[in-house]
Amino acid sequence: DSGVTQTPKHLITATGQRVTLRCSPRSGDLSVYWYQQSLDQGLQFLIQYYNGEERAKGNILERFSAQQFPDLHSELNLSSLELGDSALYFCASRLIQPNYDYTFGSGTRLTVV
Amino acid sequence: GENVEQHPSTLSVQEGDSAVIKCTYSDSASNYFPWYKQELGKRPQLIIDIRSNVGEKKDQRIAVTLNKTAKHFSLHITETQPEDSAVYFCAATRNDYKLSFGAGTTVTVRA
Repeated sequence: DSGVTQTPKHLITATGQRVTLRCSPRSGDLSVYWYQQSLDQGLQFLIQYYNGEERAKGNILERFSAQQFPDLHSELNLSSLELGDSALYFCASRLIQPNYDYTFGSGTRLTVV
Repeated sequence: GENVEQHPSTLSVQEGDSAVIKCTYSDSASNYFPWYKQELGKRPQLIIDIRSNVGEKKDQRIAVTLNKTAKHFSLHITETQPEDSAVYFCAATRNDYKLSFGAGTTVTVRA
């Protein structure tokens, strides 16, 4: 167990629908990062939150949004889903400086049918 | 932003031989370089990392080297075993910033 908790583990939904993925970081970690990994692809950075505020954005689609709550858990909202959104979605959290250790959750496998 | 290139994309080695994966990065401000191992459908797991103030780090059969001048770093696995078969990703970052990943190397260890 990495200490980073992601739910649900699997999600199957239809095109056009909206889903919410949840991530709870390790205790004490203030930063949460979301990554998308499509089949046989690398890890693409979506968005970062630090202590409740958006810190950095990657190639995140406008149909996707995220937030981090006061208890530091984060949610990634995916709307108007398309077949191409099927992927593994990982969140990672990290310790504050000077330790740069990033740890990943087990991921949510999203299948859009 | 940071751009990380990783080679080779696939690597097949005989059990007991060594495996070497190489990465280059573009942002000279990057100062942290982790390596992750990912098995099919599982989360990336940190196997070793190196910071920019160190040139080499070793942990049992795994070692990483960093050349800041040339902006490249490498993963070395010695005495490979079947359980080393996986996808390996290099990454680079600076301070409180996102990890930029290489495209990954699929390592197959032949028994």
